[in-house]
Amino acid sequence: QQPVQSPQAVILREGEDAVINCSSSKALYSVHWYRQKHGEAPVFLMILLKGGEQKGHEKISASFNEKKQQSSLYLTASQLSYSGTYFCGTEGNYGQNFVFGPGTRLSVLP
Amino acid sequence: EAQVTQNPRYLITVTGKKLTVTCSQNMNHEYMSWYRQDPGLGLRQIYYSMNVEVTDKGDVPEGYKVSRKEKRNFPLILESPSPNQTSLYFCASSLITGATGTGELFFGEGSRLTVL
Repeated sequence: QQPVQSPQAVILREGEDAVINCSSSKALYSVHWYRQKHGEAPVFLMILLKGGEQKGHEKISASFNEKKQQSSLYLTASQLSYSGTYFCGTEGNYGQNFVFGPGTRLSVLP
Repeated sequence: EAQVTQNPRYLITVTGKKLTVTCSQNMNHEYMSWYRQDPGLGLRQIYYSMNVEVTDKGDVPEGYKVSRKEKRNFPLILESPSPNQTSLYFCASSLITGATGTGELFFGEGSRLTVL
């Protein structure tokens, strides 16, 4: 079952912060985050595991609330290169199938 | 170089003419999957495979077939393509581990298919 993402789209100025949310109606084993630029394949950002710690990569970090079956992606001091569509992907129990959310389109303006 | 290779990258065909999109990975990944991407609908899974000879339907399997006879290859077959299968298709692969479950997904560059 596909996770839900919010917002559907967001426009920022360079240097502003953004939060993208991902929620599921089922228990989750892991949450992935990917970014896709126009005309390109999705690129992996990070995995968050059940019972694991919040992950971070430079100015992009994420959290995973297992009880609420939710994950949030935090982009701080956004750069022009952050523009693209962000997808969360979720996996139920270990070894179960992995499905993507519908995506959040992020545009960073100068 | 670790990669997922899809062919063809672009294809225009006509309704009913069988076609195959190949996908090959050189990372010895157990998990392989096919997605179609349409505007506003994100990445919808067509079929996936946990290992050789193990395949299962995703969310939108109608009109597609797959096979996994070798670990590295996972072709997508459209037996009788129709215009509603016009889309951008991605193949992806991943390790499956006890630590992470489905690991980082590596994507092919995509195959843009147009069915007239």
